[in-house]
Amino acid sequence: QKEVEQNSGPLSVPEGAIASLNCTYSDRGSQSFFWYRQYSGKSPELIMSIYSNGDKEDGRFTAQLNKASQYVSLLIRDSQPSDSATYLCAALDNFNKFYFGSGTKLNVKP
Amino acid sequence: DTAVSQTPKYLVTQMGNDKSIKCEQNLGHDTMYWYKQDSKKFLKIMFSYNNKELIINETVPNRFSPKSPDKAHLNLHINSLELGDSAVYFCASSQDTRWRYGYTFGSGTRLTVV
Repeated sequence: QKEVEQNSGPLSVPEGAIASLNCTYSDRGSQSFFWYRQYSGKSPELIMSIYSNGDKEDGRFTAQLNKASQYVSLLIRDSQPSDSATYLCAALDNFNKFYFGSGTKLNVKP
Repeated sequence: DTAVSQTPKYLVTQMGNDKSIKCEQNLGHDTMYWYKQDSKKFLKIMFSYNNKELIINETVPNRFSPKSPDKAHLNLHINSLELGDSAVYFCASSQDTRWRYGYTFGSGTRLTVV
């Protein structure tokens, strides 16, 4: 069974700090990985995608992928209270199916 | 201008009833999906349609039946509702089946079966 695992949290960080969110995946055939942000009661929204080993930066967000370790992470620099949400990690397998983790809840304290 | 819209947003119904959820996307995407998000926040795919053709049909009870009248619409009909069907159901769309840029999700339908 293909799985994406995340620590459910909550992860609490002070405003202005770096928040580090991690996820591992079981399917070595997965090639594309995604981070979604979901505010309480709202739908998931895509914030980052990554396909190659290494880092990908977009504004305050950096996604990191290590396929050998089957590990994906998301760093949020200069965290803001508005970043408080649940972050879902997802992997796209070779059959074009997405597998989502259960999410990590992030609290950014002012 | 909503990209992926679902109706209704909330649905409270009794066990044994039949209900439908509607989804429409105006993004010109070819592929649409139904996902179920349980209380633990797990998002699990239920169905996927590409250009009105069913391409993913996960292990869901056959009480759930999707229908895609055209590539912009994907509806979900649920017969004989059970307590365990209570969840948030998300519709989503993507450019095509191999779209590597993720989905666009609808706002969700919170179904409560009492």
